Amino acid sequence: AQSVAQPEDQVNVAEGNPLTVKCTYSVSGNPYLFWYVQYPNRGLQFLLKYITGDNLVKGSYGFEAEFNKSQTSFHLKKPSALVSDSALYFCAVRLYTNAGKSTFGDGTTLTVKP
Amino acid sequence: EAGVAQSPRYKIIEKRQSVAFWCNPISGHATLYWYQQILGQGPKLLIQFQNNGVVDDSQLPKDRFSAERLKGVDSTLKIQPAKLEDSAVYLCASSQLGGGWNTGELFFGEGSRLTVL
Repeated sequence: AQSVAQPEDQVNVAEGNPLTVKCTYSVSGNPYLFWYVQYPNRGLQFLLKYITGDNLVKGSYGFEAEFNKSQTSFHLKKPSALVSDSALYFCAVRLYTNAGKSTFGDGTTLTVKP
Repeated sequence: EAGVAQSPRYKIIEKRQSVAFWCNPISGHATLYWYQQILGQGPKLLIQFQNNGVVDDSQLPKDRFSAERLKGVDSTLKIQPAKLEDSAVYLCASSQLGGGWNTGELFFGEGSRLTVL
């Protein structure tokens, strides 16, 4: 079975400060890892993904994430937060197979204060 | 490029009634998913189609939920009869095959919010 844990329900940061949203995963095999963002009353939007290769991946809106295989983590980061980054963030894992299903964490609400 | 279309956006029914949700994925996307998102939780997979075949429906409550994907394009998710605990947002998503291999991210519709009274 595969699972995702997002240990923080809420992350608060001041605008201009760096932000980190944590994610750890469990999967039997090689993972595909994803981050999605959800704004109120909207569907999820893709931010970035790790498939293979460089452990640091860059995505939309200045976000990046670092894959750490030994710690089974895939934390989302941004060097300088914006108020508009305030939203609900989901981490997801898929098994490295053609038809693997995506399993999501329960989400972390990011609030960036001016 | 048009996104994933879902309807209706909102539906209120009483328990034991039935409801159906419709999804049109992004053109050319072979894989279609239905997720259930209960308030405060992450999306939970109900069923996954690849073309018009079912890949995974292990979490679909088959005594009350059914889904089909005719001709490998549009899909319909039905609940009959509905229970109070079915109140949730039902998200449809699609993804594409690249060279026959599904490495891609999911593209989500805006969801259908169901309230069961």
